[in-house]
Amino acid sequence: DAGVIQSPRHEVTEMGQEVTLRCKPISGHDYLFWYRQTMMRGLELLIYFNNNVPIDDSGMPEDRFSAKMPNASFSTLKIQPSEPRDSAVYFCASSLYQGPLHFGNGTRLTVT
Amino acid sequence: GEDVEQSLFLSVREGDSSVINCTYTDSSSTYLYWYKQEPGAGLQLLTYIFSNMDMKQDQRLTVLLNKKDKHLSLRIADTQTGDSAIYFCAVSGSARQLTFGSGTQLTVLP
Repeated sequence: DAGVIQSPRHEVTEMGQEVTLRCKPISGHDYLFWYRQTMMRGLELLIYFNNNVPIDDSGMPEDRFSAKMPNASFSTLKIQPSEPRDSAVYFCASSLYQGPLHFGNGTRLTVT
Repeated sequence: GEDVEQSLFLSVREGDSSVINCTYTDSSSTYLYWYKQEPGAGLQLLTYIFSNMDMKQDQRLTVLLNKKDKHLSLRIADTQTGDSAIYFCAVSGSARQLTFGSGTQLTVLP
């Protein structure tokens, strides 16, 4: 299995621009998670899906953030408009029910 | 909510054993995990333990769980330079999501 695949690996954008991060979970996994990692706050859960349905989005920082999972093999995290404080590494992870989370290699976002 | 604590740094000599400690607050935690993160990479699952177990061994890795004290440890035997990384403890409770500790930076000295 190829594991969880995220794209792009690096994204540099200017403040105010729209950013879209993409994730392909491991085939057959029914849970998908988006995490953000920063030096100051560590790993934070933003949102997670079960069978393509958002279950808990309480970690999404504000309305500028949105996430979708149109099918079992694809999810996006969108930031519009982006701000410098959104700079972080964004991880996608997937799992089977009650199983461990498997993480992608992350997208390093820099907003200037 | 759940709180997970780890010490930030640990240094050991190559060949020695490393012990990374973690404490948590939610007694209903069902699964407890150890992840490894190398620079520029994602989190790699190392091992995990169910809350009804006290110990799990997997090659050089030994996980100990003390439910009474809510304490989890990861022992790495014969630590090598390739083990230098950040190690995260994570616990799952009644909800599906994991709560992560702040990570322990392990440095292996030659």
